[in-house]
Parts: sequence; structure tokens; C-alpha cells
Amino acid sequence: ETGVTQTPRHLVMGMTNKKSLKCEQHLGHNAMYWYKQSAKKPLELMFVYNFKEQTENNSVPSRFSPECPNSSHLFLHLHTLQPEDSALYLCASSQDSGGSKNIQYFGAGTRLSVL
Amino acid sequence: AQKITQTQPGMFVQEKEAVTLDCTYDTSDQSYGLFWYKQPSSGEMIFLIYQGSYDEQNATEGRYSLNFQKARKSANLVISASQLGDSAMYFCAMRALTQGGSEKLVFGKGTKLTVNP
Repeated sequence: ETGVTQTPRHLVMGMTNKKSLKCEQHLGHNAMYWYKQSAKKPLELMFVYNFKEQTENNSVPSRFSPECPNSSHLFLHLHTLQPEDSALYLCASSQDSGGSKNIQYFGAGTRLSVL
Repeated sequence: AQKITQTQPGMFVQEKEAVTLDCTYDTSDQSYGLFWYKQPSSGEMIFLIYQGSYDEQNATEGRYSLNFQKARKSANLVISASQLGDSAMYFCAMRALTQGGSEKLVFGKGTKLTVNP
């Protein structure tokens, strides 16, 4: 499935910049997720939104600020990032936030480099 | 806490042959779900196959099958008739609940599969 679109695909930013990552899903799902994939580390969940409400913040630093205006769109606002925040940021969506076969579908990710 | 272990950092297979990618898991839950995803160099995480802990049959999806051995806590992915396009990272994942009650996936470190012509 290619129903989850992320923009931009690549982003280079300085530590004082402010930028936003965008995720849009065309699958009619109600839950959306942000994951971080760093080199040599397993994917880590950052945030979960279910029916536009944030239901999970996995102890993410406040320099990452998520926003979910509706069930189809998810943003990740970035400010004052550190070089160690450089990673692939993946967005996913699923029918809901629970269930026996609740499959998460991912976008292609935004590869972020912080200089 | 749930944990996924993939012990093969890299695997090589000849085109048209079958290959098995290993995955073991640890959980104290009675009901759980296991997933396999493929990640090409482009970055997208592509869902391949799902196995529920109470499913009596091993899951199959086209050339993908999941060898589920509950007593051994293993959920190996078998790819039959490998194709050059199968070259990618493969991740095993398990469904888990966050402290807030939301669902998340716990991933292993992945196996890089290279298919040789």
C-alpha cells in the first residue's frame, strides 16, 4: 500500500532553524504514529494520535512538537534540534489504536540531517 | 516488556532460491501479534505478513510465509523463489501496548537481505 505520503523526503536544517514534517494518509484510518529510525538502533515510537487526540508521548523532548488537525494529517514541528536528532522519521497509520490485526502502514519517511 | 531479536545482520541468497530470516520474541502476554516489514533503500516500511498468537495456521502471503513456532517463541520469515527486488532490510515486529494504553510496534534490529543474480 502506498497510502501514506510524507514530505519532504529529505531535510537539512541548522540547529536554530524551525521546520515541519508532514504526513498524510489516504486510507481512512483513525490512528497515526510518528517513529524515529536512527542508525544502528531499532525503530522507536515517538507519538500516537487516535481520532485526532494524542494518546502517547514516548518521553520525546519538547523540541519535537506534533500536531494532528484531523485524522488524515499529522505534522511534526521541529525547533532547536541537536545533531543527534538526525534520523529517518517515519509516519504510520492504522485503522485504530488497538485490535488483533491492527496493521500499521508506513510512509517513505523524511531523512533529516541536523548540522 | 516485549522484545524482538533478529540474530542475522546480513543474509545472502541466490536468485530463485528460498531463504529464511530468523526472528525470536519475548513477551508475557497470552495474546499477541507478530509482523514482518520490508524496507528497501528508499526508506518506506512495507508490510508483508501478520501472524496472530492464536492463529492455528502459519500465515502465508504469496511468496512470503511465516514459520510460527509458539513454544520456541520464534516467527521466522520464509521467502520462496527469491527475486532481485527482494534485496532490502527486513524487520520483525511485535504489537505492544504503551503505558497510555495505545498500540505500538516493537521492532528488531533488522536483517539485510541481498539477492544475488
